Amino acid sequence: AQSVTQLDSHVSVSEGTPVLLRCNYSSSYSPSLFWYVQHPNKGLQLLLKYTSAATLVKGINGFEAEFKKSETSFHLTKPSAHMSDAAEYFCVVYTLYSGAGSYQLTFGKGTKLSVIP
Amino acid sequence: DTGVSQDPRHKITKRGQNVTFRCDPISEHNRLYWYRQTLGQGPEFLTYFQNEAQLEKSRLLSDRFSAERPKGSFSTLEIQRTEQGDSAMYLCASSPGTHEAEQYFGPGTRLTVT
Repeated sequence: AQSVTQLDSHVSVSEGTPVLLRCNYSSSYSPSLFWYVQHPNKGLQLLLKYTSAATLVKGINGFEAEFKKSETSFHLTKPSAHMSDAAEYFCVVYTLYSGAGSYQLTFGKGTKLSVIP
Repeated sequence: DTGVSQDPRHKITKRGQNVTFRCDPISEHNRLYWYRQTLGQGPEFLTYFQNEAQLEKSRLLSDRFSAERPKGSFSTLEIQRTEQGDSAMYLCASSPGTHEAEQYFGPGTRLTVT
């Protein structure tokens, strides 16, 4: 079984200040982890992914995330928020059960990011 | 634009009616996924196809729900005898076979059952 917990349902930052969106996961296997962003009336877009290579992952639009196995965390950060970053962000854990040939992909409940001018 | 498209974008229906949604994936992607997203929640997996084969179905997919991908290209999701609890955003995603979880999402179909 696996689960994802996004610790904040809503985060508000001022433009130009750092962004931190927190995510903790639980998985019995070695998962892959993703962050997706959802802008209003638009489809989910992949921001970045961790797939057991480098633990610090860089994504689009200046976002990055660090995989910390000991803390079972995959927090999303950005040094300086921009107005266009206002959206909902989803942390996702993915596990491929290679023996069964099936997979499980679990989304967190999302964190809504507001950026104040 | 060669992204994932969904039709319609919005659907309002009365309880008990049947509805059908369509998803057109990115053309070279052989995997196609359906999710349901309710307010304040992340997307929940419903089912997925590899080419025309439906490989996995969630427990969320009751017998009122059926999905098809007849030629391994577009897919349809039908809900029979809709209930108010079916009101949600229905999302479609596709991925190439070699990048299983890097899914590309469509804009969704918002269903409102009155």
